[in-house]
Amino acid sequence: AQKVTQAQTEISVVEKEDVTLDCVYETRDTTYYLFWYKQPPSGELVFLIRRNSFDEQNEISGRYSWNFQKSTSSFNFTITASQVVDSAVYFCALNSYGQNFVFGPGTRLSVLP
Amino acid sequence: DGGITQSPKYLFRKEGQNVTLSCEQNLNHDAMYWYRQDPGQGLRLIYYSQIVNDFQKGDIAEGYSVSREKKESFPLTVTSAQKNPTAFYLCASIPSGERGQPQHFGDGTRLSIL
Repeated sequence: AQKVTQAQTEISVVEKEDVTLDCVYETRDTTYYLFWYKQPPSGELVFLIRRNSFDEQNEISGRYSWNFQKSTSSFNFTITASQVVDSAVYFCALNSYGQNFVFGPGTRLSVLP
Repeated sequence: DGGITQSPKYLFRKEGQNVTLSCEQNLNHDAMYWYRQDPGQGLRLIYYSQIVNDFQKGDIAEGYSVSREKKESFPLTVTSAQKNPTAFYLCASIPSGERGQPQHFGDGTRLSIL
């Protein structure tokens, strides 16, 4: 069975602090995809990034960066110099071919001014 | 612009009543999904459809029904058999046949019991 764990239920930081959101996944498939989504208070899920299981290169996009480590089955998400607009619930998700998406429980991030 | 439209944004259900949530997409995606989100929890799959006139139960299908008569539309009916319908419902779509594509989501419908 596939599973995604986000151990941090809620995180609060002060603006300009760096914050890392953890994601640990379980799958027996050798080919799979990992995703991060942002859910702002308005409710819609916004796609942030996708990673396939064969590409362990870390990725940086502005203040966002992602660290994928197959050895520890982790796909962590770091926000540098956080801003109030980063306040949202963040979901990590896993998908393999022929399987439905599996979402983690989400981490609620509050960035305080 | 292409996207997924869910309506209504807020919906109230009386006891014993069936209600239908609308989901329309103009992305030309083959597969569509319905998720339920409860406070502090992740997304749980209710139903999904890979192709017109075909759909499968997800993890929590009891008390719900769907139809897929058109590629663009995947309405969800919350029946009176669903005893705890209060939740946030999200519709998503994805192009079939393309591995690793992210799901696109609508803005959601918040359902409450009167």
